[in-house]
Amino acid sequence: DAGVIQSPRHEVTEMGQEVTLRCKPISGHDYLFWYRQTMMRGLELLIYFNNNVPIDDSGMPEDRFSAKMPNASFSTLKIQPSEPRDSAVYFCASGYGGGTEAFFGQGTRLTVV
Amino acid sequence: GESVGLHLPTLSVQEGDNSIINCAYSNSASDYFIWYKQESGKGPQFIIDIRSNMDKRQGQRVTVLLNKTVKHLSLQIAATQPGDSAVYFCAENISGTYKYIFGTGTRLKVLA
Repeated sequence: DAGVIQSPRHEVTEMGQEVTLRCKPISGHDYLFWYRQTMMRGLELLIYFNNNVPIDDSGMPEDRFSAKMPNASFSTLKIQPSEPRDSAVYFCASGYGGGTEAFFGQGTRLTVV
Repeated sequence: GESVGLHLPTLSVQEGDNSIINCAYSNSASDYFIWYKQESGKGPQFIIDIRSNMDKRQGQRVTVLLNKTVKHLSLQIAATQPGDSAVYFCAENISGTYKYIFGTGTRLKVLA
């Protein structure tokens, strides 16, 4: 299994632009998580899905952030419009059944200038 | 991955010695705990887990101890190797949810 696949690995964009981060979870996993990692705040859970349905989005910073999971093999995290303070590494993770470990992708390093 | 925090505690250990990394968790309703290792430029990688009905669990060269009374976790690494150098995170799963809440992390440096 290739593990959780995220794209792109690096993204540099100008303030005000729309950014879309993509994730392919491990086949068969029914949970998908989006995390953000920064120096100041560490690893923060943004949102998680179960069977493609958003369960808890309380960690999404504001309305500029949105996440979708149209099917079991694909999810997106969109930021519109992007701001410099959104610069971070965004991780997608997937898991099976809850109460078990989550497997992380390699992350997308986002820089908003 | 960006895993360095301005206030990230650092543990320096001589190669071959044992390492002990500590973590205090926040929610008494948490019933499942995981230790993750994060190397530079990579995502967190699962090391070992433990459920709240256990006090200790052993893996290969690693042991996790859980003290529910004081809400404390520790990760013990035996015979620490240079490849163990990384940032280590504990994560708690709050019972009834599937939210994994991560601690701030500890940087382990293995000295040759």
